[in-house]
Amino acid sequence: DAKTTQPPSMDCAEGRAANLPCNHSTISGNEYVYWYRQIHSQGPQYIIHGLKNNETNEMASLIITEDRKSSTLILPHATLRDTAVYYCIVIGSNYKLTFGKGTLLTVNP
Amino acid sequence: IAGITQAPTSQILAAGRRMTLRCTQDMRHNAMYWYRQDLGLGLRLIHYSNTAGTTGKGEVPDGYSVSRANTDDFPLTLASAVPSQTSVYFCASSGQTLSGANVLTFGAGSRLTVL
Repeated sequence: DAKTTQPPSMDCAEGRAANLPCNHSTISGNEYVYWYRQIHSQGPQYIIHGLKNNETNEMASLIITEDRKSSTLILPHATLRDTAVYYCIVIGSNYKLTFGKGTLLTVNP
Repeated sequence: IAGITQAPTSQILAAGRRMTLRCTQDMRHNAMYWYRQDLGLGLRLIHYSNTAGTTGKGEVPDGYSVSRANTDDFPLTLASAVPSQTSVYFCASSGQTLSGANVLTFGAGSRLTVL
């Protein structure tokens, strides 16, 4: 599976959009981009995934560049409860699913 | 409620002792995983299993063993615990949703302290 690179931390004001970037320049054609988040010491939680089209669900939007080498997770109106570590991972047919260190998003009042 | 059950929730263990962390899922997912999480190091894959009867090594497999006798259970064993294995351990499983997504579901974690 392709490796991903994320900034270690980001801040966002409550009510504003949080835009979390992820670089996956070695992604291959059959690999999907997935985003998870981990709040405090809980188990990680699935947010959204995509292949090449932009995706939106009730939690977030995912924007994938045309060359698929990077993506951005967008939380349109961040709340204090969105403070968490956000993981971007790339998944293909390989079951050896590895996570990086993620991005610690801190939403400030 | 469908999901993953891990046990114990937390455990303090003397170095050199044997310990098995249990993981059970009721979602009939084929794939299961064990991760450890340490401060500043993120989630690291220990072992995984594509389907019952098969297992594979992850990023940090040394000192750990797993078995997958059936679809539901995926225990993680520390044959002789060492202090560096003090960590929070997460079990996960993955299966395809109706949309074709391969979504991981995680357990609540097991906090292990080796003294």
